[in-house]
Amino acid sequence: KNQVEQSPQSLIILEGKNCTLQCNYTVSPFSNLRWYKQDTGRGPVSLTIMTFSENTKSNGRYTATLDADTKQSSLHITASQLSDSASYICVVSPEYIIQGAQKLVFGQGTRLTINP
Amino acid sequence: AAGVIQSPRHLIKEKRETATLKCYPIPRHDTVYWYQQGPGQDPQFLISFYEKMQSDKGSIPDRFSAQQFSDYHSELNMSSLELGDSALYFCASSLEDTYSGNTIYFGEGSWLTVV
Repeated sequence: KNQVEQSPQSLIILEGKNCTLQCNYTVSPFSNLRWYKQDTGRGPVSLTIMTFSENTKSNGRYTATLDADTKQSSLHITASQLSDSASYICVVSPEYIIQGAQKLVFGQGTRLTINP
Repeated sequence: AAGVIQSPRHLIKEKRETATLKCYPIPRHDTVYWYQQGPGQDPQFLISFYEKMQSDKGSIPDRFSAQQFSDYHSELNMSSLELGDSALYFCASSLEDTYSGNTIYFGEGSWLTVV
């Protein structure tokens, strides 16, 4: 069964500190991996998207890494801000269907809380 | 920039009633996805459409149906509502591409409460 496991489940850090969130997946075949930020009750917002050939991708203070061999990804947040408090969801596409739609496999998310 | 628009944002229905959720994708996007997210759960894929044709089907109950119209907006129709249908329903859209890695944009979601 295709699975996406995230750790930790929740994380609390002080404003200004860095943190790293982990994502392990067993999805195969693998097309791409995405990180989303989801505020409570809001729609997920895309942060990064990486194909199997990409190792790292940055979006401002967010940097995602991907190791397709070990099927692991991480999201590193630098100089955290209070507005970073949200759930961070790792989403993997098991295959790419041309002229169709991708099935996305969602992780359970990591709940990040930034304290002042 | 225009985003994915969903309506209504909040909806309260009684058991056995019918509800319709609407989704307006980002202009020029040709693919629409519907997801259901229960409290504390990850989104579950329901159904998707590409160029107005159903392209994939997930865990959508038989009581639910959906379609994509000529203007690319989509509607999710839910009948014989059950208490367990209470959830946040997301619509997402993307522009399919011959290269992998297209960005999928989510709407803000429609909260459905069945009482």
